[in-house]
Amino acid sequence: SQTIHQWPATLVQPVGSPLSLECTVEGTSNPNLYWYRQAAGRGLQLLFYSVGIGQISSEVPQNLSASRPQDRQFILSSKKLLLSDSGFYLCAGWGGAGETQYFGPGTRLLVL
Amino acid sequence: AQKITQTQPGMFVQEKEAVTLDCTYDTSDPSYGLFWYKQPSSGEMIFLIYQGSYDQQNATEGRYSLNFQKARKSANLVISASQLGDSAMYFCAMRGYQKVTFGIGTKLQVIP
Repeated sequence: SQTIHQWPATLVQPVGSPLSLECTVEGTSNPNLYWYRQAAGRGLQLLFYSVGIGQISSEVPQNLSASRPQDRQFILSSKKLLLSDSGFYLCAGWGGAGETQYFGPGTRLLVL
Repeated sequence: AQKITQTQPGMFVQEKEAVTLDCTYDTSDPSYGLFWYKQPSSGEMIFLIYQGSYDQQNATEGRYSLNFQKARKSANLVISASQLGDSAMYFCAMRGYQKVTFGIGTKLQVIP
């Protein structure tokens, strides 16, 4: 089965600073990869997904961007953070039809 | 487009009793999968159970079972013999062609 790694676990950043969150995957090749954001007490909002290297689909127009430089690496970035970017960011991977989507441990981002 | 609806924002259940968490879905994909995840206060997303749209039998995993009624487009989670550790948010999700869509979740509290 897949293992999803995310870091850091917690991040406090000032408004206007850049952001880079990294997600790596073990145990599968060519997975679909996903970035979700969860506001406190709310559901999961799909931000980006990728079906392969260099292929990024954006679900919600926003201050963030994503990149997939390698098969098992998915990066979430921002050039200038906003207060509204605060939340819990989860990376997930899916190996394909009939398989389960697995999640990483998440990163709690607080923008002050 | 995919849509998941969870209409119970919060549920209470007595310890050792069974509880049903509701989930309805809508999709135009002929093949899809349905998932349930548990999210405790720590934030991690824990996979519980999976049901494929062509599976003839309802999925079961230990104390968890998925009551899949395809004609009614429902995929309710049944937790038998509730335990205090079952207190958490529960999310229903649906896998389509490339994306997984989540409901807004149900907060379950198990009462001693």
